Amino acid sequence: NAGVMQNPRHLVRRRGQEARLRCSPMKGHSHVYWYRQLPEEGLKFMVYLQKENIIDESGMPKERFSAEFPKEGPSILRIQQVVRGDSAAYFCASSPGDRSFYGYTFGSGTRLTVV
Amino acid sequence: AQTVTQSQPEMSVQEAETVTLSCTYDTSESDYYLFWYKQPPSRQMILVIRQEAYKQQNATENRFSVNFQKAAKSFSLKISDSQLGDAAMYFCATETSGSRLTFGEGTQLTVNP
Repeated sequence: NAGVMQNPRHLVRRRGQEARLRCSPMKGHSHVYWYRQLPEEGLKFMVYLQKENIIDESGMPKERFSAEFPKEGPSILRIQQVVRGDSAAYFCASSPGDRSFYGYTFGSGTRLTVV
Repeated sequence: AQTVTQSQPEMSVQEAETVTLSCTYDTSESDYYLFWYKQPPSRQMILVIRQEAYKQQNATENRFSVNFQKAAKSFSLKISDSQLGDAAMYFCATETSGSRLTFGEGTQLTVNP
C-alpha cells in the first residue's frame, strides 16, 4: 500500500525554465493538496484539487503557477519561468474525502532549486 | 484568517524524559481539527496526533498526548519517555471547513542521549 508518491525528489532548474512536479495520491484518495515550504518556515497551502476540478486555489500565486489533477494520472504542479524565489520544498498531501477524519497523508516532497 | 503560533523555535530534552511543545491558534470557526505533524530530516511529514475541537477529551497516541484548551485556543503536545527517534521538527496545524491546513512555524526538538 504505497503512500503518497512525489517525483522528482530533487529538481534543479535555471531561471526562466519550467518546473513540473508530480504527485500520485494514496490508493483510494481522490483529494489532493499542494503546500510549499520555504526555508526555515512552515508549510503554506497552495491549492486543493479533486479529480478534474480545482476546489480552492486561493494560496496559489496568480501568475506562473498552475495545478491539475486529471481523470487519469498524477496531479501536476507546474511553475513556468521559474525565479530564485520559487526555490522551496513542495509537498503534496492526499485524503479520501474532505475534512478527513484521519488527517492528511503527505508525500516526501520535491525540493526545487532555481539556479 | 487562521493563524497558528509556535513560540518555541527550539527545544531540547534528555532521553527518557518528558517535553511539552506549545501551540496557540486563532480561528473564528466553531468546528475544526487540530494536528501535530513531525518532520524528520528525511523531510517526510508524519501525522503524530489529531484532535477534534468538539471533543473535550484530550487525544492520546502512545507516548504522545495533547493538552487542548479550547477557550484559550491552546494545543500543546506532550512527549513522554522521549526517544532519540523523536528528534525532528514538529508542526502544529489547524484544519477548518475549507479543507486546508494552516501550519505554525515549527519547533525543532533535539533529544540528548
